[in-house]
Amino acid sequence: KNEVEQSPQNLTAQEGEFITINCSYSVGISALHWLQQHPGGGIVSLFMLSSGKKKHGRLIATINIQEKHSSLHITASHPRDSAVYICAVWGVRGAQKLVFGQGTRLTINP
Amino acid sequence: NAGVTQTPKFQVLKTGQSMTLQCAQDMNHNSMYWYRQDPGMGLRLIYYSASEGTTDKGEVPNGYNVSRLNKREFSLRLESAAPSQTSVYFCASSGETGLYGYTFGSGTRLTVV
Repeated sequence: KNEVEQSPQNLTAQEGEFITINCSYSVGISALHWLQQHPGGGIVSLFMLSSGKKKHGRLIATINIQEKHSSLHITASHPRDSAVYICAVWGVRGAQKLVFGQGTRLTINP
Repeated sequence: NAGVTQTPKFQVLKTGQSMTLQCAQDMNHNSMYWYRQDPGMGLRLIYYSASEGTTDKGEVPNGYNVSRLNKREFSLRLESAAPSQTSVYFCASSGETGLYGYTFGSGTRLTVV
């Protein structure tokens, strides 16, 4: 079983819909990152969370440390949000590196 | 612009050839990483360097070597390329604890024929 599980693996929605991507992890961590990768593109860090909630524009990320769960929400989705969203956790068993989920491929249709 | 610079962006190698992927960061980060990304496999860590002068193996180190030349530069070498090493390679760097400033390079698409 992967230490970081994302769901869904693929998500297709219509422009304007509210999007939720989930991430669950099975061990204690220091922090969790949400990353975005556009097709054929580089990888950008969207958020780093160690507790609570963060918001940047239409993106909201939350984390519940006790439940070992994080969500990434996109409000008023737009076709330019189409990308792969990757959850990654830092500090598994004290290791100084990220452990990645498999990613969620999001497609927003106009 | 501040960030992580990777070269080259594209490369085609013949089986058995060698090459070095270069990575440099100008954010004064202590930690640097090399990943490969394959369809359906996600990002996998090849090697990392928590600080200048140290390197450690990641999940998939076989067939690769690394050098942390100084604080800015971390290179990845393929001594004898194999078709299984066809992949997209990403370099990344982060602050001392890895919690802040995690930044990726733009990637190198490598094909081994």
